[in-house]
Amino acid sequence: GAVVSQHPSRVICKSGTSVKIECRSLDFQATTMFWYRQFPKQSLMLMATSNEGSKATYEQGVEKDKFLINHASLTLSTLTVTSAHPEDSSFYICSASSRSGGRTDTQYFGPGTRLTVL
Amino acid sequence: QKEVEQNSGPLSVPEGAIASLNCTYSDRVSQSFFWYRQYSGKSPELIMSIYSNGDKEDGRFTAQLNKASQYVSLLIRDSQPSDSATYLCAVLIQGAQKLVFGQGTRLTINP
Repeated sequence: GAVVSQHPSRVICKSGTSVKIECRSLDFQATTMFWYRQFPKQSLMLMATSNEGSKATYEQGVEKDKFLINHASLTLSTLTVTSAHPEDSSFYICSASSRSGGRTDTQYFGPGTRLTVL
Repeated sequence: QKEVEQNSGPLSVPEGAIASLNCTYSDRVSQSFFWYRQYSGKSPELIMSIYSNGDKEDGRFTAQLNKASQYVSLLIRDSQPSDSATYLCAVLIQGAQKLVFGQGTRLTINP
C-alpha cells in the first residue's frame, strides 16, 4: 500500500515554456501532498504543502506565481512550473500523507520528475 | 544551528558489518522521526519511523531514539552492497506538520 505516482518522470523543455507535473496517490486518499525540489548532491527542500480543496502553503523564498499548485482531489495534486528557466532545472518530488489508517504524519514519496530547461 | 543535522559522510563499511548512522535535531517538541533511503537518481524510500524513546527493530534495521539528547540513529546489521545509498533523517515539525530533512549521509558498503 501507500503508492504514489508522478508523471512525467522526465521532461525537457525550452526556456519560457510551462511544465505541469502530476502527483497521484494510487491506493489511499491523501490528506496532504507536499512538493519538494532537490538539486544535485543536496537534500530535499520543501517547496509547498497542499491540502485538498484549499490553497497551497508555500515555503519562504518559493514564488507562488511561478510554481502553481492545484490539489483538486484527495488523490491528485499538480505542480506547474511557469515560464521555466534553466535555473529551474531540478528533481521535483511529491509526497503524500495518508488520512485513512496508520499515522497521518508519514509521508510516502513519488518517484520524482527530472526537469531540464534548455 | 540547522534543525536536523547528519554527518554527510561518505561512510564506508565492509560487507557484513554494522553500519551506524546518526542524526541530531533541534526542535525539542518533535514527536515523529523517520529514516529514508535514497539511491542515486531516485526518490526517497521510507525505511523506518520511530515515535518513542528506545529501539525499534525491523529486519536488519534498528532505529534508536533518545528525545532527552535529541538524537536518533539507524543501525543496519549484516550490511549488504545493496545498502549503499544516501540515508536521510527527517523530523516532523510539530504544529507545522511538515518534515525537515537532514543533508543525508552517503553510505558505501564495500564487498
